[in-house]
Amino acid sequence: EIVLTQSPGTLSLSPGERATLSCRASQSVSSSYLAWYQQKPGQAPRLLIYGASSRATGIPDRFSGSGSGTDFTLTISRLEPEDFAVYYCQQYGSSLRRTFGQGTKLEIK
Amino acid sequence: EVQLVESGGGLVQPGGSLRLSCAASGFTFSSYWMHWVRQAPGKGLVWVSRINSDGSSTSYADSVKGRFTISRDNAKNTLYLQMNSLRAEDTAVYYCARDYYDGYLFDYWGQGTLVTVSS
Repeated sequence: EIVLTQSPGTLSLSPGERATLSCRASQSVSSSYLAWYQQKPGQAPRLLIYGASSRATGIPDRFSGSGSGTDFTLTISRLEPEDFAVYYCQQYGSSLRRTFGQGTKLEIK
Repeated sequence: EVQLVESGGGLVQPGGSLRLSCAASGFTFSSYWMHWVRQAPGKGLVWVSRINSDGSSTSYADSVKGRFTISRDNAKNTLYLQMNSLRAEDTAVYYCARDYYDGYLFDYWGQGTLVTVSS
């Protein structure tokens, strides 16, 4: 089973700054089947990015994803107040590839 | 607008049973795989179970295999999770989620229902 490790555990930034979140896989993720979700307190997760770099419907273009193989990155170009949340990466594509990372909490500095 | 609304959560004693429901609207329910994903208090997301579009194929996480049963009623646009032999470690918010393309990619989620297993 592929294990996804996210870093840092907590990221403290101010609105307007750039955020860079990392997701590292223990083995290569096939065909970049890597997604990112955002979860705010008391809410369900929301799909942000799939295929490592494709934005889901309605996601602002300040969110971008990149990477391949074992190293993936979610970048938020200029943080808005509503972006402070927990972010999860997930590998997907088959019954053998469906695990989530442990999450990165993005908090206001 | 796609909507998924879970219900059926609550407090149950260890060894007890509970049935969760997820009412779907705003899309052709019978065309999509559906999943249950859970989140223990203060913890991360864990996939629980999946059912294909016509209900003929299911799969489960090892932690719930033999105790939980996923099913669906396409005529009622509703997904179910029958949970038996509940344990304290099953305490979590349970989300139903739609599969974007039959590949364990979750594009819409319900608001979740809390299951608490405690004596």
